[in-house]
Amino acid sequence: QQPVQSPQAVILREGEDAVINCSSSKALYSVHWYRQKHGEAPVFLMILLKGGEQKGHEKISASFNEKKQQSSLYLTASQLSYSGTYFCGTEIDNNNDMRFGAGTRLTVKP
Amino acid sequence: DVKVTQSSRYLVKRTGEKVFLECVQDMDHENMFWYRQDPGLGLRLIYFSYDVKMKEKGDIPEGYSVSREKKERFSLILESASTNQTSMYLCASSLLGGVYEQYFGPGTRLTVT
Repeated sequence: QQPVQSPQAVILREGEDAVINCSSSKALYSVHWYRQKHGEAPVFLMILLKGGEQKGHEKISASFNEKKQQSSLYLTASQLSYSGTYFCGTEIDNNNDMRFGAGTRLTVKP
Repeated sequence: DVKVTQSSRYLVKRTGEKVFLECVQDMDHENMFWYRQDPGLGLRLIYFSYDVKMKEKGDIPEGYSVSREKKERFSLILESASTNQTSMYLCASSLLGGVYEQYFGPGTRLTVT
């Protein structure tokens, strides 16, 4: 039931853009995005709900394609502070039963 | 600030020992979760609980049990620790429902020798 994330890793220069994808084999109720910096706990970025509602971060955007059962996280004009591992979490129903992907390691270099 | 605390940052145990990992949250959240984090595998759900004394299995419950006697506390128990349970264990909590974010604790790095 784990969603599949791609790419596994990406390296950027400051100011460049990146897209991280998350796909599921089942229809989704919600998609959550988290970022984890090395040695720290994951921190919430964004929730996308079936029907189009979004709640989240000012500088990071995301999309949720219900038909394709996938979500994409868009990181524009990346900053050094964006470095970390990004996880998507998916729910099939509104039942608190969430599964996380394996993560995408993002490295932003000066 | 929401706070999720875990009893230990680092723990070393011997094979066959019974291990208790404790998690406490201070925001009156209904949901609590235990995950295991391994390189390349991401966060894998072991168990979660949506109410006191209630529990649901995640993807990898074998070799683990949980206890939730009070709303704020969720314990993960390794009945007989094995070396393949060496991992980072993360606890999280959230309000009830899929529209709420999870708040994570700092993690416990467990080594079983």
